[in-house]
Amino acid sequence: SDELTQPPSVSVSPGQTATITCSGNVLLNQYAFWYQQKPGQAPLVVMSKDSERPSGIPERFSGFNSGTTVTLTISGVQAEDEADYYCQSAGRSGTYSVFGGGTKLTVL
Amino acid sequence: EVQLVQSGAEVKKPGESLKISCRSSGYTFTNYWIGWVRQRPGKGLEWMGIIWPGDSDTKYHPSFQGQVTISADRSIATAYLQWSSLKASDTAMYYCARSPLGPPNFYFDHWGQGSLVTVSS
Repeated sequence: SDELTQPPSVSVSPGQTATITCSGNVLLNQYAFWYQQKPGQAPLVVMSKDSERPSGIPERFSGFNSGTTVTLTISGVQAEDEADYYCQSAGRSGTYSVFGGGTKLTVL
Repeated sequence: EVQLVQSGAEVKKPGESLKISCRSSGYTFTNYWIGWVRQRPGKGLEWMGIIWPGDSDTKYHPSFQGQVTISADRSIATAYLQWSSLKASDTAMYYCARSPLGPPNFYFDHWGQGSLVTVSS
């Protein structure tokens, strides 16, 4: 199956740790990538190849792949982290990609 | 500085054709894949397809195969997304984006600002 499943929403208080999951069989042997999208803006890649943080992304963002589930963790969440987060990985044939349904992170 | 600049908003009627563009600058156009992503109002991201401008090798998500056409003009470093017959369900924001990796590890490190397409009678 091509599907990547994310929880629709996650809520945390400032300073706490936010954990966003993405599940799918393809993740067993394909990398996951994560994007942050704020209202009215284009997405921004915040994690590459499961756990590689692109230049300019704060160290509080980290990623981990544990088989069929990948996790984006934001430690010490700040108000500016409030956004929609999407995972992305390969489709079944490997010639296209798919996005997860997205998770709305609310900073209380 | 890498930039992807997309064409402006469009308002079309059902059945009409449309071609939107994405002009790249700040890098070698033929060395990166350029993809398209749909985002319907209030909804999530949908991966549509991608092209390698070097030889126009194009790959589509099965949901978009035959529904749209992706092309590129190397001479002006511009990628295109086109429809031959629009439907109301094509109303969305469309983003172009650059992928530094090829299959199966496509991902987007730079994005255009988006082109809003509205299809309404």
